[in-house]
Amino acid sequence: KAGVTQTPRYLIKTRGQQVTLSCSPISGHRSVSWYQQTPGQGLQFLFEYFSETQRNKGNFPGRFSGRQFSNSRSEMNVSTLELGDSALYLCASSPTVITEAFFGQGTRLTVV
Amino acid sequence: AQTVTQSQPEMSVQEAETVTLSCTYDTSENNYYLFWYKQPPSRQMILVIRQEAYKQQNATENRFSVNFQKAAKSFSLKISDSQLGDTAMYFCALFSGGGADGLTFGKGTHLIIQP
Repeated sequence: KAGVTQTPRYLIKTRGQQVTLSCSPISGHRSVSWYQQTPGQGLQFLFEYFSETQRNKGNFPGRFSGRQFSNSRSEMNVSTLELGDSALYLCASSPTVITEAFFGQGTRLTVV
Repeated sequence: AQTVTQSQPEMSVQEAETVTLSCTYDTSENNYYLFWYKQPPSRQMILVIRQEAYKQQNATENRFSVNFQKAAKSFSLKISDSQLGDTAMYFCALFSGGGADGLTFGKGTHLIIQP
């Protein structure tokens, strides 16, 4: 069974640009959640999608958004990038709820 | 709001020794799940072990076991016969209620296994 796939693995963007990250969950999993990992703040919950609907949202500004498609693949978008958005973005896949979450390898975003 | 606290930023032990990583948490929910995740230098978060709060029996997975003290809100991870490949960051995480906060993670413990 294939694991969670995140693309791209690495990104370098310029301040002010926007970026889209992609996550393909484990086959059959319907919940996808996103996390931001930084040295200062650690791992922080961004949002969770289930059956194409945002089910929960963390405490991040509206520049951070996401969506989920009918095949459960999810994308997150960050608009008007700031230097502080530089982080490892992790996606987690769960069957229904996040009582068992499996993570992808992450996307390393660097904003310059 | 729920919180997870890991008080040991870094630990170092010799190969084959047993090591215990500490974690305390706080939640107002009765139904919740606790996890230990391992993050090696590759950055892949790997689920090590999971504990349902309603289960009194401590979870075990091969060399990994937990000591779940519900009243004390403590959830420690014991690694027996430690191996060089156990070197990684270890994160304690909590999922409770309807998942409004997703998974809440501690700051992590950097475990180093010395040869």
